[in-house]
Amino acid sequence: TQLLEQSPQFLSIQEGENLTVYCNSSSVFSSLQWYRQEPGEGPVLLVTVVTGGEVKKLKRLTFQFGDARKDSSLHITAAQPGDTGLYLCAGDQGAQKLVFGQGTRLTINP
Amino acid sequence: ETGVTQTPRHLVMGMTNKKSLKCEQHLGHNAMYWYKQSAKKPLELMFVYSLEERVENNSVPSRFSPECPNSSHLFLHLHTLQPEDSALYLCASSQKRGLAAAYEQYFGPGTRLTVT
Repeated sequence: TQLLEQSPQFLSIQEGENLTVYCNSSSVFSSLQWYRQEPGEGPVLLVTVVTGGEVKKLKRLTFQFGDARKDSSLHITAAQPGDTGLYLCAGDQGAQKLVFGQGTRLTINP
Repeated sequence: ETGVTQTPRHLVMGMTNKKSLKCEQHLGHNAMYWYKQSAKKPLELMFVYSLEERVENNSVPSRFSPECPNSSHLFLHLHTLQPEDSALYLCASSQKRGLAAAYEQYFGPGTRLTVT
């Protein structure tokens, strides 16, 4: 059973376009994190959201945690080729571990 | 060195070999993790060490044997692996806060393992 479902799994768009990726679950998380992973590297933490309804911005990236703390979204404005990568959401359910989604592989074409 | 380092970055081994993966964290964290990342599968948590004690073994086959000699170092000893064990093995660390969970994790670059 996949606790965290990410959609879409693959997304290829042109530079300058906007996009949103989603991370959904039927489980409640005490916090949720977003990571970006580039080829040949480990995931790098982008943001942690903790409070239901919380919105965090990181330059052109906007992260939102659902009111019920079961889902999250990542919105990128005016995407650039440097945004290309695998985006992973991870939910913190306690017990010293994270549950990861399967990832959204994003390609931004120049 | 900063952050989390892993060696080797690439490893090719036969099914009868014994090898070890090494992870070192320079962040002063007190929890360390091994993950397996395969194509088309989510990151799979293998082991968790907190304050040098193993607190999680996620039904991992015994051909994988972790070792945490201190809070900065983590090893994964490999023996008689199968081709399906080929994957990217990632190490991570975090700062455990009381009874709180993993919270923010910092990953190494991974070891790309190929079992022939």
